[in-house]
Amino acid sequence: AQSVTQLGSHVSVSEGALVLLRCNYSSSVPPYLFWYVQYPNQGLQLLLKYTSAATLVKGINGFEAEFKKSETSFHLTKPSAHMSDAAEYFCAVSEKWNAGGTSYGKLTFGQGTILTVHP
Amino acid sequence: GAGVSQSPSNKVTEKGKDVELRCDPISGHTALYWYRQSLGQGLEFLIYFQGNSAPDKSGLPSDRFSAERTGGSVSTLTIQRTQQEDSAVYLCASSSPLLVRLQETQYFGPGTRLLVL
Repeated sequence: AQSVTQLGSHVSVSEGALVLLRCNYSSSVPPYLFWYVQYPNQGLQLLLKYTSAATLVKGINGFEAEFKKSETSFHLTKPSAHMSDAAEYFCAVSEKWNAGGTSYGKLTFGQGTILTVHP
Repeated sequence: GAGVSQSPSNKVTEKGKDVELRCDPISGHTALYWYRQSLGQGLEFLIYFQGNSAPDKSGLPSDRFSAERTGGSVSTLTIQRTQQEDSAVYLCASSSPLLVRLQETQYFGPGTRLLVL
């Protein structure tokens, strides 16, 4: 089974500083990787996803992530944090399952990282 | 267009009561997933629907949990004889695997926050 580890349950940065949220995965096959963001009392919103087309993936709100196979990592970065970036971030890997004659992707999530942005 | 909607947004119930949680997926999305988000366990997969059938129910924690989907659209997650450990946020997601690709994005609803007293 695949797994995802997010290093650091809480990350705190100053407004304007670099944001780096770490994600490492384990997978025996080429993975499909996702970053989702969850604002308070809201559902998950897709930030970006890696589907093997390019190792550097750009997402919404200025975020990007780089897939590094040798390091089994998919860290999320943003050059300059904004107060509105304060939220919880989840890294996820899509695992192929087969059941009932159908194939589908089941997301396995990391434990999440809460990002705090200080003025 | 409309996103995934869930109701109720909050539910408080007494231990032992039954609850029903509803999910309206994005129109045309054939795949529907239920996840549970709790403090101790993080985000966990519960069940997957393709159309009205559920080929994967492996994440349902006990036989008190059941789900159905009708008309290839609305889904209901039912928890019978609720326990305090059922307190969590229940999230629904839908996707449109036109081709069966693992990278299809799952679009999440806002969740139902369940508190069992």
